[in-house]
Amino acid sequence: DADVTQTPRNRITKTGKRIMLECSQTKGHDRMYWYRQDPGLGLRLIYYSFDVKDINKGEISDGYSVSRQAQAKFSLSLESAIPNQTALYFCATSDLGSGRETQYFGPGTRLLVL
Amino acid sequence: RKEVEQDPGPFNVPEGATVAFNCTYSNSASQSFFWYRQDCRKEPKLLMSVYSSGNEDGRFTAQLNRASQYISLLIRDSKLSDSATYLCVVNIGSTASKLTFGTGTRLQVTL
Repeated sequence: DADVTQTPRNRITKTGKRIMLECSQTKGHDRMYWYRQDPGLGLRLIYYSFDVKDINKGEISDGYSVSRQAQAKFSLSLESAIPNQTALYFCATSDLGSGRETQYFGPGTRLLVL
Repeated sequence: RKEVEQDPGPFNVPEGATVAFNCTYSNSASQSFFWYRQDCRKEPKLLMSVYSSGNEDGRFTAQLNRASQYISLLIRDSKLSDSATYLCVVNIGSTASKLTFGTGTRLQVTL
């Protein structure tokens, strides 16, 4: 079984709809992240969480919100989806092994907003 | 200027060839450096960290030049399975929240 899972894997929605992307991990890591990836752009950080009570905005948090329900679960919500939120979304966890923080990514969610 | 710049490629090389990718970064305060590999429509996976003295992992060698602010990845004896996009990643802080990802260089290894 994968250590970092994301649901759904693919989603088509309409402008104005609220949607939630979910991420679960079995790695026991405290730190979790949400990124989006667009063609021609590098991964960009949306939100991150260092533990259940710690939520932080990333580079591009506008239009998104998150919830850290438990150590193992970190959800990303689009309150009112718009077409430019069409992208590939990745959840990641990380640990501090070997003195450097190493990230482990989930398989991604492809979102299309019509 | 982008914070992390990579030649997007694609680099098309025959099996067995040696290929090198470069990456430049703009923030001189960058603290750590990585190469990630991303297969088509899949998630990025850590290939290797890049250390100041350079480091090697099998057929892969990474180099860092802090003075010129660039990082390189050398792949020797290319395999078909090396075909992927290689992401240069730079950390300007001490946590992964400060990672900046390059857009990637695509490698296609052919018979």
